[in-house]
Amino acid sequence: AQTVTQSQPEMSVQEAETVTLSCTYDTSESDYYLFWYKQPPSRQMILVIRQEAYKQQNATENRFSVNFQKAAKSFSLKISDSQLGDAAMYFCAYRSPISNFGNEKLTFGTGTRLTIIP
Amino acid sequence: AAGVIQSPRHLIKEKRETATLKCYPIPRHDTVYWYQQGPGQDPQFLISFYEKMQSDKGSIPDRFSAQQFSDYHSELNMSSLELGDSALYFCASSLGSGQGAAPLHFGNGTRLTVT
Repeated sequence: AQTVTQSQPEMSVQEAETVTLSCTYDTSESDYYLFWYKQPPSRQMILVIRQEAYKQQNATENRFSVNFQKAAKSFSLKISDSQLGDAAMYFCAYRSPISNFGNEKLTFGTGTRLTIIP
Repeated sequence: AAGVIQSPRHLIKEKRETATLKCYPIPRHDTVYWYQQGPGQDPQFLISFYEKMQSDKGSIPDRFSAQQFSDYHSELNMSSLELGDSALYFCASSLGSGQGAAPLHFGNGTRLTVT
């Protein structure tokens, strides 16, 4: 079974600065999908960014980018120009490329709580 | 854009009672996933459905059952409730692709409190 590890339970960053959240995973599969989800105090789960393992280019979404190191099984999230609205719990998630329809559940890490310091 | 709708938003039940949670996926989404998130924990996969058939099963207690109906909405039925069932229950939907590329869209969750 795949496992996802987030070794930083809490992180803080000064507003407008850059922060990197770490995520490692364990899998024997060669093709898979990785995601970062954000969960603000409202508890809603919001997709931040996703990466297909077969793509070498790191995904980028505005101020959010990832550093995907497939050999090291590492998938970190970089948030640039941090804003107060970025304060949330961030979950890294893994998804297998299972061929059966509807069998594409996410396996989550334990999360990193990000605090933005004004 | 339409999102995943979950009802109710909050539910308070007593031990040994029964609860039913409902999920209405995004229109045209044919796959539904249920997750349980305990306080301070990451979401744990319970069960999923594709085209009204159970497609995968995780750590769902035998006291829980779920189904997906002809209109693709899904219901999670929880019986003999225990204090440990208190959690946030998420439903997510996607367009089943069989390749893992379709993202999961989450609802706002139902917060269940068992007293």
